Amino acid sequence: QVQLQQWGAGLLKPSETLSLTCAVNGGSFSAYYWSWIRQSPGKGLEWIGEINHSGSTNYNPSLKSRVTISVDTSKNHFSLQMTSVTAADTAVYYCAREGLVVVTAIRYFDYWGQGTLVTVSS
Amino acid sequence: DIVMTQSPDSLAVSLGETATVNCRSSQNVLYSSNNKNYLAWYQQKPGQPPKLLFYWASTRESGVPDRISGSGSGTDFTLTISSLQAEDVAVYFCQQYYSTPPTFGQGTKVEVK
Repeated sequence: QVQLQQWGAGLLKPSETLSLTCAVNGGSFSAYYWSWIRQSPGKGLEWIGEINHSGSTNYNPSLKSRVTISVDTSKNHFSLQMTSVTAADTAVYYCAREGLVVVTAIRYFDYWGQGTLVTVSS
Repeated sequence: DIVMTQSPDSLAVSLGETATVNCRSSQNVLYSSNNKNYLAWYQQKPGQPPKLLFYWASTRESGVPDRISGSGSGTDFTLTISSLQAEDVAVYFCQQYYSTPPTFGQGTKVEVK
């Protein structure tokens, strides 16, 4: 059984850096891409970016300048950093597993973390 | 980006009746080389992450009851919940993964009338 457990700071001030980590338990870490997705009342569900076990990343162009996703294969963890946050970044952030890689990433999401509410407020 | 538009935004259906959720993509999500529609459906209940129901538009995820079905091709897709049960009350989302970034519909809230 695959489980994703995520954690990180839930309250940030404007201009600070958001940092979240997701631990993957069960299943194959290397056979998949791993994503971060956020959900807010205003923007709905928004894909942030992805990483695989070798550190290959892809980002949503709308967030690319502020986002870094990294991986620690020794722990089966992957992490999200987002710089210069504003109130518009207030959302529930999820980590998720993508579909099994065949040739390229298959970006539907079959396992999700529990979600972390991140609030940006002065 | 491909824009996903769902209709209606909400609907109320009597228990045992059929609920139909529609999803339209701004571009074709059918990949001609493999004849697969890059479209997924999710169910989300309050306080929970989305749960995958279907991928490739109509491939049912393990554990999803067969009274829930996904259909459609190209730009128009449908999620059908037959014989609505109380446990089906949720928000349903479609999502395309044909192009980067993957994008989601705004959601359709299904309630009991």
